[in-house]
Amino acid sequence: AQSVTQLDSQVPVFEEAPVELRCNYSSSVSVYLFWYVQYPNQGLQLLLKYLSGSTLVESINGFEAEFNKSQTSFHLRKPSVHISDTAEYFCAVSRSSNTGKLIFGQGTTLQVKP
Amino acid sequence: GAVVSQHPSRVICKSGTSVKIECRSLDFQATTMFWYRQFPKKSLMLMATSNEGSKATYEQGVEKDKFLINHASLTLSTLTVTSAHPEDSSFYICSARDLLGRNTEAFFGQGTRLTVV
Repeated sequence: AQSVTQLDSQVPVFEEAPVELRCNYSSSVSVYLFWYVQYPNQGLQLLLKYLSGSTLVESINGFEAEFNKSQTSFHLRKPSVHISDTAEYFCAVSRSSNTGKLIFGQGTTLQVKP
Repeated sequence: GAVVSQHPSRVICKSGTSVKIECRSLDFQATTMFWYRQFPKKSLMLMATSNEGSKATYEQGVEKDKFLINHASLTLSTLTVTSAHPEDSSFYICSARDLLGRNTEAFFGQGTRLTVV
């Protein structure tokens, strides 16, 4: 069985500072990894995903995540955050690249302060 | 990109009544839809996998008679919370996967905030 652990429930950070949201997973089989963002009272939006190939994946709004197989991690980073990045971030794994059956981490609340 | 719409976005109902939540894929066909439940400050928990034209597959611990799922067409799945109680209050989110598998992830609806009073 797969599981996902997001080590930080809340991450407060000042605007324009760098941030890292940590995600570790456990699985006995190969997995596919995702980061989703949830703004207040909204559904989830896919931020980025790792399926294969380059271990560093990027999103269009400046976030990036690196798949580290030896450390079973998929940490999310951004070099300079904005107030608008304040949201809940979920790391998720799937056994298949094209299934919607996801196992989610507990979520990390990113609070960007002015 | 693909759009999944949930309706209603918010609903308040009295204890003992039933509530239906709709999940529609607006610009693609979905043989499979997924229903998740999100508790306050908790992660999303998969409740069931909804398959068009067949019975839903429920995750362990989810009461299928309590949470009725119908997937009557390739663009619509419904979740009915029967005889709702305050402990059923939660945020329910659906997701749908493209029939043709052109996309490698499922797309999520906006969610439905259910409050049972």
